[in-house]
Amino acid sequence: DAGITQSPRHKVTETGTPVTLRCHQTENHRYMYWYRQDPGHGLRLIHYSYGVKDTDKGEVSDGYSVSRSKTEDFLLTLESATSSQTSVYFCAISEGFVDEQYFGPGTRLTVT
Amino acid sequence: RKEVEQDPGPFNVPEGATVAFNCTYSNSASQSFFWYRQDCRKEPKLLMSVYSSGNEDGRFTAQLNRASQYISLLIRDSKLSDSATYLCVVNSGANNLFFGTGTRLTVIP
Repeated sequence: DAGITQSPRHKVTETGTPVTLRCHQTENHRYMYWYRQDPGHGLRLIHYSYGVKDTDKGEVSDGYSVSRSKTEDFLLTLESATSSQTSVYFCAISEGFVDEQYFGPGTRLTVT
Repeated sequence: RKEVEQDPGPFNVPEGATVAFNCTYSNSASQSFFWYRQDCRKEPKLLMSVYSSGNEDGRFTAQLNRASQYISLLIRDSKLSDSATYLCVVNSGANNLFFGTGTRLTVIP
């Protein structure tokens, strides 16, 4: 299995609070991604990174920001969490931009 | 129109059956294609890449039809352990990657 970890694995937070999710890889892959998965929508790309300090928006980026200060770490921040951001968040990595992706175990976030 | 469409199923098949899933995509410039498997409350795991010439891995066969813009997955001799949700992925670049909503398969003893 690819070396990808996510933390925390579960989190319950209140509306309006900031939340940061962490993705850590040991594969030295260039690309890192954040997705959310919701029933009926499948996996949707939030943001991705193609190198240290290089990031771009995905399909559902509103309300989220990301940072990548080291190759191995990619952070997803919800500046002010809303109930609509209750979801399962997956991090993924790939070597190239059209290559297969490998996923972390996911973070289950509940915003009350 | 959605970028990627899959029949959500569920598909309920007996052990030993052959089952096929299709996935259609809208972007003719799509560059790479994959099938993933996702078990309940787990992360998606790569099942196989899909090549233009088609490819096979044991009981699994994947095919790509660029003219009709669909990919398929065939599972022969279904096992109980094949029960999962199968996701197709169509990739036109790092920010143009789309997942289908998944097809749920249950293999019945």
